[in-house]
Amino acid sequence: GQNIDQPTEMTATEGAIVQINCTYQTSGFNGLFWYQQHAGEAPTFLSYNVLDGLEEKGRFSSFLSRSKGYSYLLLKELQMKDSASYLCDIMDSNYQLIWGAGTKLIIKP
Amino acid sequence: GAVVSQHPSRVICKSGTSVKIECRSLDFQATTMFWYRQFPKQSLMLMATSNEGSKATYEQGVEKDKFLINHASLTLSTLTVTSAHPEDSSFYICSARDPSSGGIPYEQYFGPGTRLTVT
Repeated sequence: GQNIDQPTEMTATEGAIVQINCTYQTSGFNGLFWYQQHAGEAPTFLSYNVLDGLEEKGRFSSFLSRSKGYSYLLLKELQMKDSASYLCDIMDSNYQLIWGAGTKLIIKP
Repeated sequence: GAVVSQHPSRVICKSGTSVKIECRSLDFQATTMFWYRQFPKQSLMLMATSNEGSKATYEQGVEKDKFLINHASLTLSTLTVTSAHPEDSSFYICSARDPSSGGIPYEQYFGPGTRLTVT
């Protein structure tokens, strides 16, 4: 079956660094996406990894290991506006998106 | 580029009535659009894939006679929730693929979502 696991909730302090992990087992792999979703809004694209390694984009970085079925999203210099849900999802062999349940990130001052 | 709009953003309807949600690609032609549903504190669940000019493909467990999808043009797909019930209250999100995009293959661009409340 298809399965994506990520922690349900995490808490971090403003200005700090947080790493959100995602493990997956899917039928085929055509890339891994991270999205940010604020309550009541649609997801917004953060990153895309299709090859192993680290992709850095400003304060956000995403890492992928295909052999381990593992990814993480690293957020640096946390700001209050980063409080949101972070969704890990996989594009499977049919180019459909399989979504994780999301990690709710709470930022405290 | 690659902007997707949805209308309405919020709708309240009475049980038993029908409601239509529109999804438009504003600056590109979308041959494929997707409809998702999201309940509170849950992930996005794909309801159906809509291809322009053909019947939608529904995911297992989604009632095609209840959730009518029409993709009549390359820039518009509509989802009609027929005979709505309170359990249909949810956040409905559409997305679209831009086949002319040179970016991420098969990337989906998301609309802002529609909050449906059935009373």
